[in-house]
Parts: sequence; C-alpha cells; structure tokens
Amino acid sequence: QVQLQESGPGLVKPSETLSLTCNVSGGSFTNYYWNWIRQPPGKGLEWIGYMYYGGSANYNPSLKSRVTISVDTSKNQLLLTLTSVTAADTAVYYCARERSAGMDYWGPGALVTVSS
Amino acid sequence: QTVVTQEPSLTVSPGGTVTLTCASSTGAVTSGYYPNWFQQKPGQAPRALIYSTSSKQSWTPARFSGSLLGGKAALTLSGVQPEDEAVYYCLLYHGGGRVFGGGTRLTVL
Repeated sequence: QVQLQESGPGLVKPSETLSLTCNVSGGSFTNYYWNWIRQPPGKGLEWIGYMYYGGSANYNPSLKSRVTISVDTSKNQLLLTLTSVTAADTAVYYCARERSAGMDYWGPGALVTVSS
Repeated sequence: QTVVTQEPSLTVSPGGTVTLTCASSTGAVTSGYYPNWFQQKPGQAPRALIYSTSSKQSWTPARFSGSLLGGKAALTLSGVQPEDEAVYYCLLYHGGGRVFGGGTRLTVL
C-alpha cells in the first residue's frame, strides 16, 4: 500500500523560505509524477507543481518565481521549497502521486503557518 | 490564468441523484483535459474518485460516475448516501499544468 507523509516546520517567518518533505513508502518512486498541492484554511485546493521522476518539472504560473520541486530518489522523497513567504502562503500542504492522468494517493497534509 | 468553475453548493436527498459540473474559462471541457474528481471531508485530505473523465479508482463506490456533459466535466452520484456529504473538487489538465475548481459543497438532507 502506497503511503505519503508530509513533514516540515509548522511555523515559518515572513520573507523566509518554506521547506517541506514528502516521504513515499510502499511503492515505486519511478515513472510517476509527484505533485504538491496546498489549501489555505477554509479555502479550496491550489496546485503548486509537479516533478516527474525523469526530471522534468512544471509549476503554477502564479508561484513559479518562488517554487522549486525536486526529488531525492535515494530516500524516496519529494521536496518543496517556497521562498519569500507571506501570510498568504499559510496553508495545509499536500503531496500526491499521479499516474495515468490521475492523482491517486495523497498524504494527510502538513499545516504551515507564516507568522512572526 | 485559466479559471475552473464549479457550483458552490448543492443539496440532495438521501437515495437521490445529483450531478456536479466543472467548467473551464477557456471553453468546452474535452477528454483531453483529463478531468479528475476528488472528495474531501472535514479535517481530511482529498480522496481521489475519478480520473481521465470517467475512470474510477479501485476504491471508488459504484454510485459515483464521471462524464462530459454539455461542454463540462460532470460527476454524478446515484443513490446518494449520508456519508457522501462532502466538498467535491474537480481538476483539469491545462497546457501541461493542473487547475482545480473551487469546489462544490454537497449537502445530503
């Protein structure tokens, strides 16, 4: 059974960098797209971007200048970096696996609050 | 940027049938947008239901079905159960990226 688990600091100061890790277990890391999605409190879902195992990435145009998604295949980890954060970046951050044009498995999410 | 629009809220009676739709600001939704549907209950992560317009995940109950309807993606629930009360999100593939709709809050009453 594939399991995804997000982890990282729950609190980040404004203007600093948010870094999150998604640990993938119970399945292959290869030949999938790996996505990050976020959800501000009480609001809808926003796609952040994906990294394909083969190395290509694609980002939401509204976040592209601040986002980097990468993978560490030796550790079966998906990584998210978001720079120059503001309060608007406060959200639950999810990682999700994608195959055959469908996001099937999701992590439980990690709440990140941006506050001084 | 592309905007994906869903009904903000719908109400259905137990045992009834309801259809949720998903429209794109760029025009008619086709199979090439690979519509996905997700169910989210309070305090939980989204759960995948439908991908590529009408394909079901292995865990998706038979009462959920996906289709294209009048230029939109559609999710139909037949024989609605009380546990189907949730927010439903669609996802469309646009120009290599992905765009979520704003969600439909489904009330079973």
